[in-house]
Amino acid sequence: AQSVTQPDIHITVSEGASLELRCNYSYGATPYLFWYVQSPGQGLQLLLKYFSGDTLVQGIKGFEAEFKRSQSSFNLRKPSVHWSDAAEYFCAVGPVSGGYNKLIFGAGTRLAVHP
Amino acid sequence: NAGVTQTPKFQVLKTGQSMTLQCAQDMNHNSMYWYRQDPGMGLRLIYYSASEGTTDKGEVPNGYNVSRLNKREFSLRLESAAPSQTSVYFCASSEAPPGRSGNTEAFFGQGTRLTVV
Repeated sequence: AQSVTQPDIHITVSEGASLELRCNYSYGATPYLFWYVQSPGQGLQLLLKYFSGDTLVQGIKGFEAEFKRSQSSFNLRKPSVHWSDAAEYFCAVGPVSGGYNKLIFGAGTRLAVHP
Repeated sequence: NAGVTQTPKFQVLKTGQSMTLQCAQDMNHNSMYWYRQDPGMGLRLIYYSASEGTTDKGEVPNGYNVSRLNKREFSLRLESAAPSQTSVYFCASSEAPPGRSGNTEAFFGQGTRLTVV
């Protein structure tokens, strides 16, 4: 069955430090992959997506993610974190195996940023 | 740009009461979704509508019903609310369902925080 795992429930970084949020998926073919961010009390906003092509994708707010097929991973990175990046981050997979499919979300990683 | 609008934003129900959560999108999207968000469990799909006139069950449909009223609106109904349905509910829409050609990016509403006592 398709699944998404975000191993880190909480991460704390200092402002200006680099960030990497992990996402691993279980899927039988090349999935569509997404990262969403949720600020407190808000809905989810798409940061970036991977459908095909270049495995390093750039998103909004200075985020990027790299699709590694051999590791079944789609980790999110940012070279220098800002205090406004404190939020919850969700990785999601879009199945492609026929029919009307849906996004499967990971449990989320809550990011705290220390000044 | 309104995007996806959900009403109400907050609701408290007593066990056994019924209510309908409303959702409307103004992006002319074909597909609409209802998710619930619970701590440590991410978002779980309740129901979805791939296109106007169709609805299908997601991962956790029990206790819910939906209506795709037209292309813009997709409502979620709780016929007899239970404490286990205390959650934050999100409506989303996308131009095309994941797996189909076209834009599958999902746009989310602000959420409805529902408490059942």
